[in-house]
Amino acid sequence: GENVEQHPSTLSVQEGDSAVIKCTYSDSASNYFPWYKQELGKGPQLIIDIRSNVGEKKDQRIAVTLNKTAKHFSLHITETQPEDSAVYFCAASQWGTALIFGKGTTLSVSS
Amino acid sequence: DAGVIQSPRHEVTEMGQEVTLRCKPISGHNSLFWYRQTMMRGLELLIYFNNNVPIDDSGMPEDRFSAKMPNASFSTLKIQPSEPRDSAVYFCASRVGGSRAKNIQYFGAGTRLSVL
Repeated sequence: GENVEQHPSTLSVQEGDSAVIKCTYSDSASNYFPWYKQELGKGPQLIIDIRSNVGEKKDQRIAVTLNKTAKHFSLHITETQPEDSAVYFCAASQWGTALIFGKGTTLSVSS
Repeated sequence: DAGVIQSPRHEVTEMGQEVTLRCKPISGHNSLFWYRQTMMRGLELLIYFNNNVPIDDSGMPEDRFSAKMPNASFSTLKIQPSEPRDSAVYFCASRVGGSRAKNIQYFGAGTRLSVL
């Protein structure tokens, strides 16, 4: 089955800096790669996703890149703000099946 | 829509007791997922249903865990008997199914279970 590795487990940045979180996956059949943000006391919420027919996708300050050959994908957050502080999860799956999540990255943005 | 609704939000019980967690998915969604979150193991998929039918229960830890979905608007996750190592946050998520639908899973707020 699918296995997703996520790094780093914790990340501390200064407000305004960029943050990058990286994930690798094992199943070459996976074709859907979402990123979820979890705030304290809440359930994870989708922030951006990408399908395998696209190499990069951007939404304001966040972007995701995908390298299918190397089986890795990354989340990029630019101009970080204190409200970006949260736990971020990557996931992978074949379209329509259950998501397999990485173990999460705790992002702390200090002002 | 109110989103995915889980109850209770917090549950404290003693070892050996039966625990039932409840989930109401978003109306119109036909896939439902149960996850367990711990610091050590992250978000683990326990089981998921399509159209009320269990599709993959390979993540269910052992026979003490069982899940049901008697209809499209309700699911339960039961632990009997509970053990301290079951302490975790349990999340339910739902999704519109079908190959042409968006693949987005919507999560509930979770149930924090503490087994003493």
